[in-house]
Amino acid sequence: NAGVTQTPKFRVLKTGQSMTLLCAQDMNHEYMYWYRQDPGMGLRLIHYSVGEGTTAKGEVPDGYNVSRLKKQNFLLGLESAAPSQTSVYFCASNRVLSTDTQYFGPGTRLTVL
Amino acid sequence: SQQGEEDPQALSIQEGENATMNCSYKTSINNLQWYRQNSGRGLVHLILIRSNEREKHSGRLRVTLDTSKKSSSLLITASRAADTASYFCATDHGNYGGSQGNLIFGKGTKLSVKP
Repeated sequence: NAGVTQTPKFRVLKTGQSMTLLCAQDMNHEYMYWYRQDPGMGLRLIHYSVGEGTTAKGEVPDGYNVSRLKKQNFLLGLESAAPSQTSVYFCASNRVLSTDTQYFGPGTRLTVL
Repeated sequence: SQQGEEDPQALSIQEGENATMNCSYKTSINNLQWYRQNSGRGLVHLILIRSNEREKHSGRLRVTLDTSKKSSSLLITASRAADTASYFCATDHGNYGGSQGNLIFGKGTKLSVKP
């Protein structure tokens, strides 16, 4: 099993550009999450999904959109990137309970110039 | 904010020594989890302790939970250079206070184990 994978690993954007981050899991997990990690800030939840076709806002959802069209994939979109969105983005998933052990992807390092 | 606070922010020890990290939180929890993050990598789950448990062991890891003090500690015994990483606590507050049942992560303790 690959576990949780993220694409791409690195990306540099200019202000105003858009992009989509892809998260895929092969563990048949119901719950999926997108976090951002900034120096000294820990992980903050952006959006999450409790199942295929559902999404919900987390702590810091502004400027991001998500979609979960297939159970194994969770997409994070930035429609108009801003320098404040420079961060490392992590995807995670778990089985059923929202606070069961979470399995994390390797992260995407995004820089917005 | 319900965010857990780890203490210390950074810890540097010699191989073979024990490392103790603490986590404090503000509101009642269902469970508390500890994760490790190696530099440039994703988080890896270490251990979960439920609110009705006081102590849990896993290999060289020992976690304690004191719900009356709203705090937890992670002890790594006989540390190795490979234990060098950041360690995060994450708390489950159920649906209290807007967390919507999701985990709240602390800011982490950066552990450096010197050979």
